[in-house]
Amino acid sequence: KAGVTQTPRYLIKTRGQQVTLSCSPISGHRSVSWYQQTPGQGLQFLFEYFSETQRNKGNFPGRFSGRQFSNSRSEMNVSTLELGDSALYLCASSLAYGGPPGNEQFFGPGTRLTVL
Amino acid sequence: DQQVKQNSPSLSVQEGRISILNCDYTNSMFDYFLWYKKYPAEGPTFLISISSIKDKNEDGRFTVFLNKSAKHLSLHIVPSQPGDSAVYFCAASASGNTGKLIFGQGTTLQVKP
Repeated sequence: KAGVTQTPRYLIKTRGQQVTLSCSPISGHRSVSWYQQTPGQGLQFLFEYFSETQRNKGNFPGRFSGRQFSNSRSEMNVSTLELGDSALYLCASSLAYGGPPGNEQFFGPGTRLTVL
Repeated sequence: DQQVKQNSPSLSVQEGRISILNCDYTNSMFDYFLWYKKYPAEGPTFLISISSIKDKNEDGRFTVFLNKSAKHLSLHIVPSQPGDSAVYFCAASASGNTGKLIFGQGTTLQVKP
């Protein structure tokens, strides 16, 4: 079974631009979560989508947004990029929304975003 | 406010010995805990999890122990192998909310041959 895929793997943008990142979950997984990893802040939760609805949101400004499609694929968008948005953006999928057991998240390889 | 803490940034052990990675949490709403391993330029790989109704869970060379009263969990790797060298993250979630993981800062494990 194929894992979580993320595109693109690397991206370079300049301040003020916007960017869209894509995530395809493991086949059969319906929940997708996004995380940002930076050296200073570590891994931080951005948001979670299930059944095309945002179920959870982390403590990030409104410039960060996302959506989920009917096939469970998800995109996240960052508008008006700032230098501090440079990070590894990770997508994770799980079978369903809610609790264990068996609902562990599986991560993709990430998209490395560099903002110049 | 760091709700999940891994106080040791790094750990070095000899091949064949036991590796013990520690994690503390402050939020008593957390009731599901996971360990992930991460190599550079890759996403985290799920290793093992434990629910708060248990105090121990084993999977091969990996065992996670949970001490709820101390709000502490640990990952034991026995025996350690050079391929285990990676960054290990502890993560926690609250009941019915496994899609929102709160991560510790990670511990870099080096296993020397």
